[in-house]
Amino acid sequence: GAVVSQHPSRVICKSGTSVKIECRSLDFQATTMFWYRQFPKQSLMLMATSNEGSKATYEQGVEKDKFLINHASLTLSTLTVTSAHPEDSSFYICSARDRSEQETQYFGPGTRLLVL
Amino acid sequence: GNSVTQMEGPVTLSEEAFLTINCTYTATGYPSLFWYVQYPGEGLQLLLKATKADDKGSNKGFEATYRKETTSFHLEKGSVQVSDSAVYFCALSDPGANSKLTFGKGITLSVRP
Repeated sequence: GAVVSQHPSRVICKSGTSVKIECRSLDFQATTMFWYRQFPKQSLMLMATSNEGSKATYEQGVEKDKFLINHASLTLSTLTVTSAHPEDSSFYICSARDRSEQETQYFGPGTRLLVL
Repeated sequence: GNSVTQMEGPVTLSEEAFLTINCTYTATGYPSLFWYVQYPGEGLQLLLKATKADDKGSNKGFEATYRKETTSFHLEKGSVQVSDSAVYFCALSDPGANSKLTFGKGITLSVRP
């Protein structure tokens, strides 16, 4: 149980285009999902917290107009990187919190984004 | 604020060696504590957790005990395998902070055959 998927696993795009990443909880309902960014050989940096049916809460320094988050259902959250630039290239990881197990986050496999 | 401190790495061990990875924390409330493992090119997997003082989390031969008096959650395994090579993250979840996770920097473990 407690499986979280992400799609796509890897994406290469041209500078200026937008990229959408999906995060799904496959076997549980997630009232809260989190989006992280991870740079090589570093820890995870929380970007935003996404609650189903409401606006995401962004961490300080994260541009909400650049990283659009939608959490339309209890099993799906999306992150859209708008007008991507090479500095947005990174490993993006989502996690979901089971509504019946409030303390534990389950992580997706990550999406590697490369902006040319 | 909350923080998690992990020992400096990387760590290289021979197969069947004993493993200890130190983790200490600072928190204002009563956090839950976690160890996550990240294999190359993958996301994080929950390895084990403990939700209150003196709890012991265990999984796949790994174990860690929530020590409130020393604010520690050290990860141990009696006999490591090559397949344990990965990055290990200690983390805490503070219910007073919307249960956001605070991660340590992570430590890379390499196990030689």
